Amino acid sequence: DQQVKQNSPSLSVQEGRISILNCDYTNSMFDYFLWYKKYPAEGPTFLISISSIKDKNEDGRFTVFLNKSAKHLSLHIVPSQPGDSAVYFCAASALSWAQGAQKLVFGQGTRLTINP
Amino acid sequence: NAGVTQTPKFQVLKTGQSMTLQCAQDMNHEYMSWYRQDPGMGLRLIHYSVGAGITDQGEVPNGYNVSRSTTEDFPLRLLSAAPSQTSVYFCASRGGSSNEKLFFGSGTQLSVL
Repeated sequence: DQQVKQNSPSLSVQEGRISILNCDYTNSMFDYFLWYKKYPAEGPTFLISISSIKDKNEDGRFTVFLNKSAKHLSLHIVPSQPGDSAVYFCAASALSWAQGAQKLVFGQGTRLTINP
Repeated sequence: NAGVTQTPKFQVLKTGQSMTLQCAQDMNHEYMSWYRQDPGMGLRLIHYSVGAGITDQGEVPNGYNVSRSTTEDFPLRLLSAAPSQTSVYFCASRGGSSNEKLFFGSGTQLSVL
C-alpha cells in the first residue's frame, strides 16, 4: 500500500519554463514533507521541505506547495535549467521529522528532463 | 568531508550466499538507516538506528540484519541472499544542526543470481 504516490514517472520540460512535480499522500498523520533530488550513480540529496502548519515554502528557484485538504503537494521549479534534470522523490513523515521522528516514507520518484 | 561512505559499490551474489554491506559516516550523526530502491517502488526503509546499540525495523526488514556497535558504522547483513534482494541499497544518516536533512551515501548495486 503506497502511502506516498508520485503518479508521473517522467516529465519533460523546456529550459526556462516552469516544472511542476506532483505528490499525493494517503496518511492523514503525515505532518512533514520533503523533496529529494537524485542524479544517476549518486545518493539522493535534500532539496526543500515543508511543515503542515504552512502551505508554501520557497528556496530560490524551488517552491513547495501543500494542500492538506487534498493531501497533495507539488514542487515548482522556475526557471528550469538543464542541471535540474534528475529523479525527484517526495517523502513524508508523521510526528514531525524535524523534531526527531524516525521514519520517512518515499514516493516512487519522477524523472525530470529539461530540454535545451 | 567524506560524509556517508558505502562499500562496495557493486556486488554480484549467488542465491544463498551471505554478505555485509558496509556504511560509515564521519558526521557524528546518531541516526542511521538503510533503504532499498526498486523500480516503481521508490525508496523503502529496511532498518534504522537512533544510536549505538539501538536498532529497529523499517518497512521491509525481512531477510536483513543490522547492528550498531559504534556511532560511525551501520552494516547491513544479508544472511542468505535471494533474487528478490536484487536492488540498489542506500545508507543514510542525520543529526546535529541539520536534523531535517537525511544525508545519503552513493549506493550499492546488488545483483543476486
